[in-house]
Amino acid sequence: GEDVEQSLFLSVREGDSSVINCTYTDSSSTYLYWYKQEPGAGLQLLTYIFSNMDMKQDQRLTVLLNKKDKHLSLRIADTQTGDSAIYFCAESPRRGSQGNLIFGKGTKLSVKP
Amino acid sequence: GAGVSQTPSNKVTEKGKYVELRCDPISGHTALYWYRQSLGQGPEFLIYFQGTGAADDSGLPNDRFFAVRPEGSVSTLKIQRTERGDSAVYLCASSLTGGGDTDTQYFGPGTRLTVL
Repeated sequence: GEDVEQSLFLSVREGDSSVINCTYTDSSSTYLYWYKQEPGAGLQLLTYIFSNMDMKQDQRLTVLLNKKDKHLSLRIADTQTGDSAIYFCAESPRRGSQGNLIFGKGTKLSVKP
Repeated sequence: GAGVSQTPSNKVTEKGKYVELRCDPISGHTALYWYRQSLGQGPEFLIYFQGTGAADDSGLPNDRFFAVRPEGSVSTLKIQRTERGDSAVYLCASSLTGGGDTDTQYFGPGTRLTVL
């Protein structure tokens, strides 16, 4: 079946790196996404990676994809208090990336000053 | 507008009542999605429109839920005979649907529905 799993909580100190991990089950997923949700707000797209890539870097964000293990990670360098939020991993299980996204339950990142 | 907008931002209703939730997608986006997010959970897919037609409604929980997009732009999610279990944040997203990275879904701020 389709299931995306994430650890529920992560706590880091300001200035450290954060690594949020995700596992997914559908090997046909063409794109994998990271969304950020701040309290009372909608989902903000952070970054995404195409399934034929191993790594994608975008400023402080680095996404690593291990297709063999169906493991996705998001690294945030120099984590700031403004990074405190819930981070959702999502896969697009259908070819062509049309249709529904399957989300994990989210990882709540707390950044301590 | 610049992003996806949803109205109302909050809706409180009584059990058994009918509610309508509205979504305005990003201009030019042909695909529109509805999701439901319960407390402490990730968003769960409800329905996906391509233009005016529902391309996939497999996520609708039962026949009390219905959605329309008559002109291929604005969409309305309709819930009949609301139940307390329908309380959640209802999220709308849109995408350009041109293939490649243009399929990325952009989300609105959501409508928080509370059924008393």
